[in-house]
Amino acid sequence: QVQLVQSGAEVKKPGASVKVSCKASGYTFIGYYIHWVRQAPGQGLEWMGWINPNNGGTNYAQKFQDRVTMIRDTSISTAYMELSRLTSDDTAVYYCARVWRAYYPTFDYWGQGTLVTVSS
Amino acid sequence: EIVLTQSPGTLSLSPGETATLSCRASQSVISGYLAWYQQKPGQAPRLLIYDASSRATGIPDRFSGSGSGTDFTLTISRLDPEDFAVYYCQQYGSSLLTFGGGTKVEIK
Repeated sequence: QVQLVQSGAEVKKPGASVKVSCKASGYTFIGYYIHWVRQAPGQGLEWMGWINPNNGGTNYAQKFQDRVTMIRDTSISTAYMELSRLTSDDTAVYYCARVWRAYYPTFDYWGQGTLVTVSS
Repeated sequence: EIVLTQSPGTLSLSPGETATLSCRASQSVISGYLAWYQQKPGQAPRLLIYDASSRATGIPDRFSGSGSGTDFTLTISRLDPEDFAVYYCQQYGSSLLTFGGGTKVEIK
């Protein structure tokens, strides 16, 4: 069965970077785009960007353009999202999610979420 | 950026009743590229509806979506206890994906 399993919770200091992993299983990793979405405590969902696991192509939301990097390692079917220059506003649960129809980004499978806490 | 405004913020209903949730876009959503998700506490969202009115795999037929342009609706008929959750709309008609702020459906 399709699964996206994310890395564990992180606590970071302001100004640091965090790297979250998303390991895919149960399907052909390179066949489906992976998007990243975050959710601040008690808040709604915020889209961050996507990576095409087939060729490594990316597209980031302008808000995160200068701070986010999305990469993948096809040998282990894993996508990564790295966010730099963290502030307290980056405290959130970060989700990876799979797009099930090419070019129509709705998400049929989600990771379990990774809580990133930014605190001094 | 297409801003999605969901209303009401909270809906208090009893099991068996019908919930009507609204999602209004700041500009027309191309080709009705709008989806609805359900999220329960501590869980990731679950896809319910895509392309405004198509149910995702395994979603009960008591969930239905409608609308076009800037006005979209999610209707949940015969509310089941497991349906009490937060619901989000999402548009994918533009390259900048956006979500609504959510509607909480709570037990009255």
